[in-house]
Amino acid sequence: DIQMTQSPSSLSASVGDRVTITCRASQSVTRYLNWYQQKPGKAPKLLIYTASNLQSGVPSRFSGSGSGTDFTLTISSLQPEDFATYYCQQSYSSPQTFGQGTKVEIK
Amino acid sequence: QLQESGPGLVKPSETLSLNCTVSGGSISSSSYFWGWIRQPPGKGLEWIGSIYYTGSTYYTPSLKSRVTISVDTSKSQFSLKLNSVTATDTAVYYCARLFPGAGVIILRGAFDIWGQGTMVTVSS
Repeated sequence: DIQMTQSPSSLSASVGDRVTITCRASQSVTRYLNWYQQKPGKAPKLLIYTASNLQSGVPSRFSGSGSGTDFTLTISSLQPEDFATYYCQQSYSSPQTFGQGTKVEIK
Repeated sequence: QLQESGPGLVKPSETLSLNCTVSGGSISSSSYFWGWIRQPPGKGLEWIGSIYYTGSTYYTPSLKSRVTISVDTSKSQFSLKLNSVTATDTAVYYCARLFPGAGVIILRGAFDIWGQGTMVTVSS
């Protein structure tokens, strides 16, 4: 199985901050990397698919980049509704695997 | 829209059974797979398996011996059965739609629509 490692596991940030979350795969997943946002008690929500494609309806402050083994999710200006846990997921090979999550908290 | 249904409590060694009803679109669309993902309390997400409307299935190896995913297009439903459950199978179970993303291979896509999730507790 391909292992996905996110860093940091948690972070504290203020509204308006630029936030970057990193996801590293144990082997190349080319560009088959997706990002999800999950709020407490809710289902995950797709933000970015295939590394850098913004899902319909997702604000443009979210962006994704990377290829191979290293990927980044960036929130350009953190908003109050962005405090949540973020997961990366590789869909390059079966079984699809998720990172352990990054919790974004209010500073 | 997707909606999970099934018992919230299952006894150890018994079979967990859940249904996912698809509405607002066709489960028989050639553009999607349908999947199950679970999340133990306070932990991360685990993909269980995915199914195409024709019945083709893919399972995660760690659960493959205990899992069956099936589809009933006449009811617009797909189902999950997990047998011989233990406390470690306690989790929120989500059903979701898998779309191809920016590629052409659906199985390399992303889960774009999710059900609300259903909590299943394994306990006597």
